[in-house]
Amino acid sequence: QVQLQESGPGLVKPSQTLSLSCNVSGGSISSGAYYWTWIRQPAGKGLEWIGRIYTNGNTDYNPSLNSRVSISVATSKNQFSLKLRSVTAADSAVYYCARENQRWLGFDYWGQGTLVTVSS
Amino acid sequence: SYELTQPPSVSVSPGQTVSITCSGDKLDYKYTSWYQQKPGQSPFLVIYQDKNRPSGIPERFSGSNSGNTATLTISGTQPLDEADYYCQAWDSGIGVFGGGTKLTVL
Repeated sequence: QVQLQESGPGLVKPSQTLSLSCNVSGGSISSGAYYWTWIRQPAGKGLEWIGRIYTNGNTDYNPSLNSRVSISVATSKNQFSLKLRSVTAADSAVYYCARENQRWLGFDYWGQGTLVTVSS
Repeated sequence: SYELTQPPSVSVSPGQTVSITCSGDKLDYKYTSWYQQKPGQSPFLVIYQDKNRPSGIPERFSGSNSGNTATLTISGTQPLDEADYYCQAWDSGIGVFGGGTKLTVL
């Protein structure tokens, strides 16, 4: 059974960089059948797709965040990571990592989510 | 940028059938997925590629996609189906979610 687990600071100061990691267990992140994705959800609001990475390092990002976001993968650790630069209070949200099934074009496994608050 | 529009809320009586719509330009040219999210939980895939159910999803969940509208239908709705539902599609390799629909079973 595949499991994803987010980790990282729960509090980030404005203008700093938000950094999160997602540990994947129960399957290899190097499998070619999946994209590895970050999605966020501000409190009381809807889901926002942040971006994704393939095992070869190819990435796609939400154009609204493109200039501030980067996603990387560490196949030896079976992890992938998110960095979001120059954060503001609007970046406060629950951040989810998820697996996108390339055959299904849907997110078939999700982490439990981690709350990140941007505040001084 | 591409947008998906859902009604903010829908209500249904237990045992009845309810449909939740998701509208977008030429949406039938794209595959739509649907996710269920209960309070305090992560979203959960219930429909992919417009009408397919992952293993373990009850048959009462079904989906369709025609023209500019994708539809999630729940037949014989149960109280445990009360949740937020989100549609999702792809536009040129970018993921797009609808704003979500709160389903109330009363």
